[in-house]
Amino acid sequence: DTGVSQNPRHKITKRGQNVTFRCDPISEHNRLYWYRQTLGQGPEFLTYFQNEAQLEKSRLLSDRFSAERPKGSFSTLEIQRTEQGDSAMYLCASSSTGVETQYFGPGTRLLVL
Amino acid sequence: LAKTTQPISMDSYEGQEVNITCSHNNIATNDYITWYQQFPSQGPRFIIQGYKTKVTNEVASLFIPADRKSSTLSLPRVSLSDTAVYYCLVGDAGGYQKVTFGTGTKLQVIP
Repeated sequence: DTGVSQNPRHKITKRGQNVTFRCDPISEHNRLYWYRQTLGQGPEFLTYFQNEAQLEKSRLLSDRFSAERPKGSFSTLEIQRTEQGDSAMYLCASSSTGVETQYFGPGTRLLVL
Repeated sequence: LAKTTQPISMDSYEGQEVNITCSHNNIATNDYITWYQQFPSQGPRFIIQGYKTKVTNEVASLFIPADRKSSTLSLPRVSLSDTAVYYCLVGDAGGYQKVTFGTGTKLQVIP
């Protein structure tokens, strides 16, 4: 399967702990996006990379959130000092320059207790 | 980014054709219209994309009138497995697209 993959698929953590999620985009895609989705809502944009450069961040991405894409391939999203309000599905998508259809991964469901 | 408006929910019987209309009154000249499908606990899946007139693929058809202020996703002969949320989005398909999802249309297919 050469689609977007995300790990882990599920994560349960206690409030105050740090968590890190990984996204592996489609190999030839240079653009990578992170979204957050809560129950009953559509995905909300968090941040966007073109190659290794993080070009845009949403106001939703507080200081506790950081994303990286060190070699322009996979990306990680870290949440520090998790709060119960961080509980959501975190989605990753990728696309190619000039063909902006975004292909989504299966998501990582986070539950903060 | 052009804002979109869709019905919150729709019901349909199996085997029927379903049409979901999306309005996007302030669509820009460079904007394309894209539809995604999302099942529970999965990421959105690309269905179809178009600029004007009609686009058809193996899954759906997309009808776009001349003024492009609305679009209609048509799903032929739906089955129970088509029960999902359908999102309509507009954006510049030629460049970086900060996609804005609304709440989508929840389609329930009834046996």
